[in-house]
Amino acid sequence: GAGVSQSPRYKVAKRGQDVALRCDPISGHVSLFWYQQALGQGPEFLTYFQNEAQLDKSGLPSDRFFAERPEGSVSTLKIQRTQQEDSAVYLCASSFLLGPQETQYFGPGTRLLVL
Amino acid sequence: AQSVAQPEDQVNVAEGNPLTVKCTYSVSGNPYLFWYVQYPNRGLQFLLKYITGDNLVKGSYGFEAEFNKSQTSFHLKKPSALVSDSALYFCAVRGRAGGGNKLTFGTGTQLKVEL
Repeated sequence: GAGVSQSPRYKVAKRGQDVALRCDPISGHVSLFWYQQALGQGPEFLTYFQNEAQLDKSGLPSDRFFAERPEGSVSTLKIQRTQQEDSAVYLCASSFLLGPQETQYFGPGTRLLVL
Repeated sequence: AQSVAQPEDQVNVAEGNPLTVKCTYSVSGNPYLFWYVQYPNRGLQFLLKYITGDNLVKGSYGFEAEFNKSQTSFHLKKPSALVSDSALYFCAVRGRAGGGNKLTFGTGTQLKVEL
């Protein structure tokens, strides 16, 4: 079946612009996660959802970052007033259920470059 | 807090030889452990996970990993490396108690398999 998809795959933004990154999880997956991967680093947790409820947003680096999943399916990560330090690959993952033993399946990521 | 260490930035091995990619972890209580592989410009692909039971876990593409509780390690192994195994490998951990459902990743190990 189809995996996790993300769009756009690449985004170039001027400093101060707002951007929106989209994630389509695997159909039927309850849980959805966002991670940020800086160059040469492992992914770092940003936030996660169970259906439409955002249960943990402790990893969001500032109040410029906002995520939503209004219908419990597609999710959008929005970054307001982008800064150069926001340049990274943003990865979305989904899992069938919510639980620490569940496998998270990742999308290809959106590479964001802020100039 | 939970953490993962991948002590080697790069591992080089000749095709046909066995390979080992090292991972150690720190977590409260017993861990859930995962290995992912990342090819250039692609997301993370799940290889295998340790939940409970047999300390030797078998996964995709002939990879396996051994959980060692006393050494807090979860090294990735393959008996005979292929050139196509060349990629970036990430170890990740989740705690059973606390830590939520987020994955904590290591910084990655670049595996290079040469003819």
